[in-house]
This record gives sequence, C-alpha cells and structure tokens, in this order.
Amino acid sequence: GEDVEQSLFLSVREGDSSVINCTYTDSSSTYLYWYKQEPGAGLQLLTYIFSNMDMKQDQRLTVLLNKKDKHLSLRIADTQTGDSAIYFCAERRGNYQLIWGAGTKLIIKP
Amino acid sequence: KAGVTQTPRYLIKTRGQQVTLSCSPISGHRSVSWYQQTPGQGLQFLFEYFSETQRNKGNFPGRFSGRQFSNSRSEMNVSTLELGDSALYLCASSPDGREETQYFGPGTRLLVL
Repeated sequence: GEDVEQSLFLSVREGDSSVINCTYTDSSSTYLYWYKQEPGAGLQLLTYIFSNMDMKQDQRLTVLLNKKDKHLSLRIADTQTGDSAIYFCAERRGNYQLIWGAGTKLIIKP
Repeated sequence: KAGVTQTPRYLIKTRGQQVTLSCSPISGHRSVSWYQQTPGQGLQFLFEYFSETQRNKGNFPGRFSGRQFSNSRSEMNVSTLELGDSALYLCASSPDGREETQYFGPGTRLLVL
C-alpha cells in the first residue's frame, strides 16, 4: 500500500464533518474508491469516482478528486457514532487490481 | 441477492501445512478477486479470475494459487504455510462490465502457528 497514503487516525466530534484525505501516485488510475471496514467485518464499498470527475456526492458523503495533485478526499457530513470504522482509499490501475492505502481509523468523540 | 460468501470464516493451521479457502460470488458475477489483509502490509491484491481464467496476478510467491469453477465459485490455496501467511483473506466479486465495483465478502481469518 505504499503507493496510496492516508493518515492513520482522525478524531472528530459527533455531529461535525469528517474529512479523510488520501494521496495516490499513478496518474493513469481509472477509478478511485472509498471503502469502510468495521471491526471484524469485511470491506463495504462506500463510493467511488471516475478519474475524469472532480466531485461526487451521495447523501452524507462527498468525494473530491484533485487529479493534478493526485489527492482524494472523503467528507462525511454530520458524523455519527455508527461512522466509527477504518476507511480505506484505493486506486484502480489499468489492470484489474486495486492498490490500497493503509486505512484511516475514524474516532468519534461524544 | 445474497452477498459474497466465504468459507471457512476462521482457520488455524500449523507451519508447513496447506490450506484451501473458498469464495462464492454474488449470483451472476463472474469476476472474483482475492486480497490478503495484514496489520503490517495492509491490503494486497493476490489475483483475479474471470470465467475460469486468471486475468491478473499480484506479487505473491507461487505458494499462493487459485482457480475458478464454471459456476464462478473460486478457491485459493496456500501451500507450505508460513507464520507470515496469517491474515484476513478477502474475496470480492464484480458484475460483468462493471469491474470498477467490487463487493467484498466477510473474509477468512487464517492463523498459522
């Protein structure tokens, strides 16, 4: 996962917005993803963005892509305790494999 | 539709043994990918199968192998297990023509003693 970088932890207050950041290295990446993993569970696809898009919004989730800087972010509005999880950023290369970040653990403070 | 299922969910083996893990994709999905997740290395791609053919392979030694059956179910095998093979093995399937979306199973947690 060294090609995709994320902060390991993010702490936010319940009700605030969470912004999780990710940088990637391959400019030819076709899709970029955000996955959520809760303790003891598999990976849940939250959202993804095609590389020719700048932004995608889906309910409380907003994905921003800065292709020039190879920077991807996930904003979670009105963060709830159920949002506590590890969030993985991943990029899809020209073949079918996903390259993953190390994951950002989102901690919600009451 | 039922999600991706993986069996067994937990497994304990000893060094030198071999193990076979199974994955049943979502009905109608022919693409199946396998990943290894460890605390040290994170998530790493193992291989991807489509219609019984391996389409892509990650950087793992030859001890790691896989196959896919005509019903799209897939198995992965690890021979001569090492302590470092202890991990969560995740399987994901994708719908035809929509390989950009992958749906993951709960994983098989393998512990090698």
